[in-house]
Amino acid sequence: EAGVAQSPRYKIIEKRQSVAFWCNPISGHATLYWYQQILGQGPKLLIQFQNNGVVDDSQLPKDRFSAERLKGVDSTLKIQPAKLEDSAVYLCASSRGTGRSYEQYFGPGTRLTVT
Amino acid sequence: QQQVKQSPQSLIVQKGGISIINCAYENTAFDYFPWYQQFPGKGPALLIAIRPDVSEKKEGRFTISFNKSAKQFSLHIMDSQPGDSATYFCAATIETSGSRLTFGEGTQLTVNP
Repeated sequence: EAGVAQSPRYKIIEKRQSVAFWCNPISGHATLYWYQQILGQGPKLLIQFQNNGVVDDSQLPKDRFSAERLKGVDSTLKIQPAKLEDSAVYLCASSRGTGRSYEQYFGPGTRLTVT
Repeated sequence: QQQVKQSPQSLIVQKGGISIINCAYENTAFDYFPWYQQFPGKGPALLIAIRPDVSEKKEGRFTISFNKSAKQFSLHIMDSQPGDSATYFCAATIETSGSRLTFGEGTQLTVNP
C-alpha cells in the first residue's frame, strides 16, 4: 500500500510569512497526527485527528498554527505568521485507529526553514 | 511529567559489535514503549515495541529490555551492521490518551565497517 504522502518536501520562507503543509494519509487510516521535529530532538505531537475531529491539540501554538482535516482524509497544517523558531521538520503520521495495536506510519516530512 | 530521557546522544560501534541505547521515563501511566528508527530524509519507522508486563522482547537482532521498577528501558542491537546506521528514538504512550507518542531526544548510531 502507498505510504503517507507529504508536500512540499522543502520550504524556505522569511519570518512573518505564512506557509501551509499538506498530508495525505494511508487509505483507510482514521487517525492522523502532525508532529514537529526540531533538529536534534525527537518529534513532538502538535495535533491529532480522529476522522475529521480533533482529539488532541494541547501542544499546538494556536496563536499561529492551525490545522484541518476536511472530509476525514487529507489534512493541512498552516503557520501564520512564521517565527525563526518554527524551523523544523513537520511530520505527518497516520494509523488505522488509536491504541497500541495500531502502528503509526510516518511520512517523509516537510523541512521548513524560516529566515 | 511526560518526559522521556534518552542516552547517549551519539554512539559509534564497530561492525559486529553490540549497540546499547538507554531510556528513562517518569510517568508511571505509560503503558507502551516503542522504538523508532529514522534514516536521513525519512520519517521514523517502528522497529520494535514492548508492554510493561514483559521484561524483554526480542525480534531478530533487536532486543528491548524493560525494568519497570527503575522506570528504564533499553534497546540492544546485536551484531551491528553499517546498514543499522540511523537515528533511534525511544518513545512512550498511554493507550487511553489516544496513542500520543512522547519521544526521547534520539541517538545517532554510526556502525563502522
